[in-house]
Formats: sequence, C-alpha cells, structure tokens
Amino acid sequence: AQSVAQPEDQVNVAEGNPLTVKCTYSVSGNPYLFWYVQYPNRGLQFLLKYITGDNLVKGSYGFEAEFNKSQTSFHLKKPSALVSDSALYFCAVRARGYKLSFGAGTTVTVRA
Amino acid sequence: GAGVSQSPSNKVTEKGKDVELRCDPISGHTALYWYRQSLGQGLEFLIYFQGNSAPDKSGLPSDRFSAERTGGSVSTLTIQRTQQEDSAVYLCASSLGLAGGGSPAYEQYFGPGTRLTVT
Repeated sequence: AQSVAQPEDQVNVAEGNPLTVKCTYSVSGNPYLFWYVQYPNRGLQFLLKYITGDNLVKGSYGFEAEFNKSQTSFHLKKPSALVSDSALYFCAVRARGYKLSFGAGTTVTVRA
Repeated sequence: GAGVSQSPSNKVTEKGKDVELRCDPISGHTALYWYRQSLGQGLEFLIYFQGNSAPDKSGLPSDRFSAERTGGSVSTLTIQRTQQEDSAVYLCASSLGLAGGGSPAYEQYFGPGTRLTVT
C-alpha cells in the first residue's frame, strides 16, 4: 500500500521568510512524488514532481522540493514566501497503478 | 488553452435522488480520474479511465456510484439514491497518459470540482 503523511496541519510564516511544508511517504518500489496547491474554491494546481534524477526539483511559482530516499521525505520549500502563497498544499505519491494517494493537506498562511 | 471543466459547479439535491456530474478533460488527454474531497476523508481516489475503459473501480464507495466515459473524452459520474454522506466536492483530473514501463509519470490536471450537497 502507498501512503503519504503531512505532519503539520498548518504552517504560519511571515512574508519574506523561508517556507517549508513537510511530507513523508511510504511505498513499495520507486515512488513518483507530486505537490499540488489548492486555492479557496478552486481545483488543485500542479506545482512539481519527482520521477527520477536530481533530488532537488524546481517547480512553479518559485517552489522547489527535495527528495530524500533515506528519510522517505519530499519536503516543499520556497526561499522567500509571499502572502499570495497562502493556500492548502497537498503532497501525493504514485507507485504501482495509476491513482494518486494524497496527504491530508497543510494550510499555509503567510502574514504580511 | 482550456483546462479541465466540470459541471455543475454546485449541486444541491434531496436525499434519495440521483445526480450526474460531468467532466470535460483537456483535449488530447487519454487518461481521466475522479476524486472526492471531503472534510472527514481528505482526497479519495474513486476511479480512472484509460480511453473509455475503467480497469480499476476499487475506489468507488458503493454500488450506488458509477462512471462512464464516451468517445475518449467526456466522463459522467452518477450517484444513485444519494445519501447525506455523499456530500463532498467531486474533482475530475486528466493526464496525457498513464505511466508505465519507461514512460514518465504524467502529472494530473484538475478541474474546479462540483460541490455536491445532499439535504
């Protein structure tokens, strides 16, 4: 079975500070890892993915994520957060099969 | 270009009625997925289609739920005899294809969802 854990329900940061949203996964075999963001009353938007290769993946809106196989983690990061980054963030994993297993989500609030 | 569209955006129905939710995927995307998002359950996978066939129906919550896809494009999710626990946001997603073998893992693009409320 595949699963994802996002240990923090909420993350609060000040604008301009670094933002980290944590994600750990459990899967048999090589994982395909994804981050999505959801703004209020909107669908999920794709941010980035890790398939293979470099452990540091760069995505949309200045976000990046680091794949760490030994720690089974795929934390999302942004060096300098913006108020407009306030949203709900989901980590997802896909191993065998084609469905995505999502974490519970982390609400990010960036204060001005 | 046009993204994934879903209709209706909101649906309020009485318990026991049937509802149909529609999804128009991105043109050229062969794979289509349905998910359900609710407060208590988070994001749950329901079903996926490759072309018009649905090899994996294991995520459908009960036999009241069914889905079809025609012409490799539009998909309809039908819920019969709706119950209050069916209240949720139903999300549709599409991707270029299904990953397998040496193929890359295609990201899924989501529609805005249909908010279903069963009274």
